[in-house]
Amino acid sequence: QVQLQESGPGLVKPSQTLSLTCTVSGGSISSGNYYWSWIRQPAGKGLEWIGRIYSSGGTNYNPSLKSRVTISLDTSKNQFSLKLSSVTAADTAVYYCTRGGRFDPWGQGTLVSVSS
Amino acid sequence: DIQLTQSPSSLSASVGDRVTITCQASQDIHNNLNWHQQKPGKAPKLLIHDVSNLERGVPSRFSGSGSGTDFTFTISSLQPEDIATYYCQQYDNLPFTFGPGTKVEIK
Repeated sequence: QVQLQESGPGLVKPSQTLSLTCTVSGGSISSGNYYWSWIRQPAGKGLEWIGRIYSSGGTNYNPSLKSRVTISLDTSKNQFSLKLSSVTAADTAVYYCTRGGRFDPWGQGTLVSVSS
Repeated sequence: DIQLTQSPSSLSASVGDRVTITCQASQDIHNNLNWHQQKPGKAPKLLIHDVSNLERGVPSRFSGSGSGTDFTFTISSLQPEDIATYYCQQYDNLPFTFGPGTKVEIK
């Protein structure tokens, strides 16, 4: 069964770029007609969809973050990545990766704090 | 953006009680609605997809119904392990959105 695992720095300085990777195991990121999403959740708050990437490489982003977000795919490593530029404290959150429109399965999540 | 409103925002019920959560969409989402369970400190988990389809391995006490803009999530007999926050989520229109969540506690 497919499993997802997020990885990346847990602390990012304000104005810098947050970079996270999601590694997919148990299946190929290129197979099937899936897309792959990033979602975040500030502490004690709800869930916000950041954006998605198709196995073909096409992307869609949440307009609220679009100017700062890039999602990319590395099929050779079976990974997809998130870059969020010009971060502020408001970007502090647990970041999750997941699959498809059903959002299943989810990675375990990784906490990213933005602080100097 | 499609707004999802959930009611109630929290509830406290006894073991064995029937629990119902509603989710209303700001426009027709053509049954592209899922329900997720998030236990404290854990990632969300998909319970029900496309309004009423139970994921494999999910207990049958969980169910979903509805259509168009109005949806319902039910736990037929609340169990201690059901303590969690439940989120509805639409994938009919971009950006995908979630309801604000309903926190379920045991009385």
